[in-house]
Amino acid sequence: ILNVEQSPQSLHVQEGDSTNFTCSFPSSNFYALHWYRWETAKSPEALFVMTLNGDEKKKGRISATLNTKEGYSYLYIKGSQPEDSATYLCADETGNTGKLIFGQGTTLQVKP
Amino acid sequence: NAGVTQTPKFRVLKTGQSMTLLCAQDMNHEYMYWYRQDPGMGLRLIHYSVGEGTTAKGEVPDGYNVSRLKKQNFLLGLESAAPSQTSVYFCASSYETATNEKLFFGSGTQLSVL
Repeated sequence: ILNVEQSPQSLHVQEGDSTNFTCSFPSSNFYALHWYRWETAKSPEALFVMTLNGDEKKKGRISATLNTKEGYSYLYIKGSQPEDSATYLCADETGNTGKLIFGQGTTLQVKP
Repeated sequence: NAGVTQTPKFRVLKTGQSMTLLCAQDMNHEYMYWYRQDPGMGLRLIHYSVGEGTTAKGEVPDGYNVSRLKKQNFLLGLESAAPSQTSVYFCASSYETATNEKLFFGSGTQLSVL
């Protein structure tokens, strides 16, 4: 993996469904992996910053895992609600450079 | 507490015109970033700065210049605007290291180049 890639590009689920998305990033010289939530007409807001292999973080119904050796992170949403509808972005910092590169995002639509 | 403030919020330029976008943060952050957002492309890094007086190129730096003369301000300049630079521009900042510190984003600048 040379770039930050997210899948799927978009996702439609019913209220109450649990869902997950993937962020793949270069595994060499890994430094940090960020997850952001971006609602339409607003600015992105941070969910998690993860740095350690095997790290798991949780915020309410949203959680994330990190595998730095194979270069991927999963974001999970348990019991999706319509207010979870947003674009979810991951960003990778390779090396201690401050250079933070985003993936193209996964757009989630939760139907009532 | 204003956080990250971008000015202007909207601008329409003609091809060849120049302009400067201003990003100001009042959180004493070291790191500042300029991203552009285009449909289906997520956020692409234009330039960034890891401290006052420093700048570095991101993924898509061509056609843009930046300056960080004061710690609280990060300016993005377009010397000769092109239609391909029509986009929404976001500024962001973070504390000394981005490793454990999240980015704080401004509200964006909608730029149209005709």
